[in-house]
Amino acid sequence: DGGITQSPKYLFRKEGQNVTLSCEQNLNHDAMYWYRQDPGQGLRLIYYSQIVNDFQKGDIAEGYSVSREKKESFPLTVTSAQKNPTAFYLCASSKRRQGGEKLFFGSGTQLSVL
Amino acid sequence: AQSVTQLGSHVSVSEGALVLLRCNYSSSVPPYLFWYVQYPNQGLQLLLKYTSAATLVKGINGFEAEFKKSETSFHLTKPSAHMSDAAEYFCAVSDGAGNGGYNKLIFGAGTRLAVHP
Repeated sequence: DGGITQSPKYLFRKEGQNVTLSCEQNLNHDAMYWYRQDPGQGLRLIYYSQIVNDFQKGDIAEGYSVSREKKESFPLTVTSAQKNPTAFYLCASSKRRQGGEKLFFGSGTQLSVL
Repeated sequence: AQSVTQLGSHVSVSEGALVLLRCNYSSSVPPYLFWYVQYPNQGLQLLLKYTSAATLVKGINGFEAEFKKSETSFHLTKPSAHMSDAAEYFCAVSDGAGNGGYNKLIFGAGTRLAVHP
């Protein structure tokens, strides 16, 4: 089955630690996205990528980094500079980058601080 | 700038009753509008989308939404609620313009639907 796989499902970060969230898709989609979800705030865009080796900051990129070395993979690193990392992180993809495209979502990673 | 407002963070209905989830948007160009559903600890699934082909849009699981330009609204309805409809629902808007054609979606804060027997 085609889809988006996020791992791990739960992740704990210690003070000063960088952690990486994995996102893999086998839908052959060009565009990939990372969203952060906090209770009562909807989804906020962290980073997006429209093609391999290219990515752009979203609305809340500070304290995060990404890479897009392969079309199917778009990992997100939460750095120690992100002071409030506890949230539900969602990865998504779309076939193309134009408006009106349906987004396909992974099942998310819950990140908590120890 | 685009924005989305979902009226009511929590809505509770009886099983079999009408479901009405409200969404108002602002956009400087004709928008693309979406409703997504999220079940606990899951990602989002597309319920339906409006792309100007028809003002009444039918989606999955018996949901539909009507685009009303004069009211800048895109409310989600279902004639008869089922227990399995309990979830969080997000309205989203995109114009696809600017930003190099990037497909940026602006999400509302979400409405949690509870269905009781």
